[in-house]
Amino acid sequence: GAVVSQHPSRVICKSGTSVKIECRSLDFQATTMFWYRQFPKQSLMLMATSNEGSKATYEQGVEKDKFLINHASLTLSTLTVTSAHPEDSSFYICSARELGGADNEQFFGPGTRLTVL
Amino acid sequence: SQQGEEDPQALSIQEGENATMNCSYKTSINNLQWYRQNSGRGLVHLILIRSNEREKHSGRLRVTLDTSKKSSSLLITASRAADTASYFCATKTSYDKVIFGPGTSLSVIP
Repeated sequence: GAVVSQHPSRVICKSGTSVKIECRSLDFQATTMFWYRQFPKQSLMLMATSNEGSKATYEQGVEKDKFLINHASLTLSTLTVTSAHPEDSSFYICSARELGGADNEQFFGPGTRLTVL
Repeated sequence: SQQGEEDPQALSIQEGENATMNCSYKTSINNLQWYRQNSGRGLVHLILIRSNEREKHSGRLRVTLDTSKKSSSLLITASRAADTASYFCATKTSYDKVIFGPGTSLSVIP
């Protein structure tokens, strides 16, 4: 099956720094990638939809200047958490939709755990 | 945004028993999927059921979909301790977004 990777899997940073998370589709092309955030013992919340070559679409309540998304190629999307604060600590999961795939199925990455001190 | 609800929020059963989890959603969907997530880990895709399907099986899993009631259920038969995890339903809307329900935390006691 299609594989999506995320890097890093875990990151700890100081408050005020920026953190970049990469999402890659390893064996397929993905015109659309999605970014989710999950707080402890809660469900996944869709943050934004990332389309290759165009601006991301953010869900209501998600600050686009805080969470910068770049989808520069058909296999890579990046999420940059700018000026991270402790409340940004969360589990960030991306998914990628295979171009022309059955049911437009999405494949999920393993997640990145961000801890902001 | 979340468009569904799941019940129960938490479920504790003995090994060997069946576990049933329910999911309701609000808008029209193209398909509905169930995922499992072990604590602190990524998602594992379990099963997808299309909007024109009513029931689907995969091993010990049975999923039903009632579009008139906007609800789905996931049945895990003969549960095992390894089934302990959180289970989420996710609906794919006409806007091509996948929206997750709040999840059910399942504990299977050996």
